Amino acid sequence: DAKTTQPNSMESNEEEPVHLPCNHSTISGTDYIHWYRQLPSQGPEYVIHGLTSNVNNRMASLAIAEDRKSSTLILHRATLRDAAVYYCILRDSQLGAGGTSYGKLTFGQGTILTVHP
Amino acid sequence: DSGVTQTPKHLITATGQRVTLRCSPRSGDLSVYWYQQSLDQGLQFLIQYYNGEERAKGNILERFSAQQFPDLHSELNLSSLELGDSALYFCASSVAPSGVYNEQFFGPGTRLTVL
Repeated sequence: DAKTTQPNSMESNEEEPVHLPCNHSTISGTDYIHWYRQLPSQGPEYVIHGLTSNVNNRMASLAIAEDRKSSTLILHRATLRDAAVYYCILRDSQLGAGGTSYGKLTFGQGTILTVHP
Repeated sequence: DSGVTQTPKHLITATGQRVTLRCSPRSGDLSVYWYQQSLDQGLQFLIQYYNGEERAKGNILERFSAQQFPDLHSELNLSSLELGDSALYFCASSVAPSGVYNEQFFGPGTRLTVL
């Protein structure tokens, strides 16, 4: 699996935007960029995913660089509930014939987001 | 609530013992995944089943085994337990076998403590 690099931690104030960066310089053309987060004492939770174009959903926006070597998860107005570990994960849409990487999520260390009131 | 249920929530046992963790996927999901989260290793993929068949294996020890039943619930069996097996075990489910285009829904986890 292609590797991602994220800052260990970031801090934000409540109701301010948060930009969480992810570097993936070895990304391949068939890799999708997925973001998950894990709130304290809970299982991971899907946030958003994209391939080339920027994506928006009710939780966040995903901005993907033109060369796809980096992406940024944007929380438009952070709340205390957004305090979590955020994981940037690459998923190869081509794998599956051999079954060795079919469907698995490869989690890195993620970014610990702290939100101050 | 993701719709994925896991039982039990907590499990405390001794070294050398065997335990079974149970997972019920979201209604309609055919794929089940098991992950282990420990302080030193982080979140690691163990194994995936799709509609009763094993689809992918990750860093799963030989002492561990899993299966998915016809009603699609899954069980993770951990045997000859060691102190290092103490961890949070998460089950996730998705509609499709690969889930590249879909999300995985995670359960609340089972916390295993081996004394």
